[in-house]
Amino acid sequence: GAVVSQHPSWVICKSGTSVKIECRSLDFQATTMFWYRQFPKQSLMLMATSNEGSKATYEQGVEKDKFLINHASLTLSTLTVTSAHPEDSSFYICSAQPSGRTYEQYFGPGTRLTVT
Amino acid sequence: GDSVTQMEGPVTLSEEAFLTINCTYTATGYPSLFWYVQYPGEGLQLLLKATKADDKGSNKGFEATYRKETTSFHLEKGSVQVSDSAVYFCALSDRGNTGKLIFGQGTTLQVKP
Repeated sequence: GAVVSQHPSWVICKSGTSVKIECRSLDFQATTMFWYRQFPKQSLMLMATSNEGSKATYEQGVEKDKFLINHASLTLSTLTVTSAHPEDSSFYICSAQPSGRTYEQYFGPGTRLTVT
Repeated sequence: GDSVTQMEGPVTLSEEAFLTINCTYTATGYPSLFWYVQYPGEGLQLLLKATKADDKGSNKGFEATYRKETTSFHLEKGSVQVSDSAVYFCALSDRGNTGKLIFGQGTTLQVKP
C-alpha cells in the first residue's frame, strides 16, 4: 500500500514550452502533497506544498507563476513548468501525505525534465 | 532556519562491514527526525524515524538514536549487505504541523561483495 506514481518519468521539451507533471496517490487519499526539486548529487529542495481545493503554498524563492500547481482531487496534484528554460532542467519529485497523518509522506519515483 | 547536515559520500564498504552515516541538525524546538533511503530508479522510502529525544528508530537492521544534547541522528548498521547500496537522506520535520521535511544532502553508500 501507500503507492505514489508520477507521470511522465522523464520528458524532454524545447525552451519556451510548458510541461505538466502528474503526481497520483494510488491507494490512499492525500489532502496535502509536496513538490521537491533535486539537483544532481544534491538534496531535495521543497518547492511548494499543494493542498486539495486551495492554492499552493510556495517556498521562498520559488516563482509561483512559473511553477503552477493544481491539486483538484484527493489523489492528484499537477506541477506545470511554464515557459521552460534549460535552467529548469532537473529531477522533480512529489510526495503525498495521507489525509489526517501529518508526519507520514510517501514519495513518487520522480520525473526527469530536460529542457533543450 | 532549520537545516540538516550529513557526512559527505560516497561511502564504500565491503559486505558485512559496520556502517555509520553521520547526521546533525539545527532546529528551533524539537523536530521529528527521519532517515529515508533511495534505491536506484526508485522513490524515497522511509527507513526509520524518531519523534522525541532519546527515541531509537530501527528497521531492517538499521538504527538511529535521537540525541538532543548533540543534535544528532546518526544512522548505523552492524553488517551491511550489497542490497543496502543506495542513497540515504537524513531529514527533519518542523513542529508547525505542516508535515514539511527538510533534507540533508544525501549520502551514497556502495557495498561491495
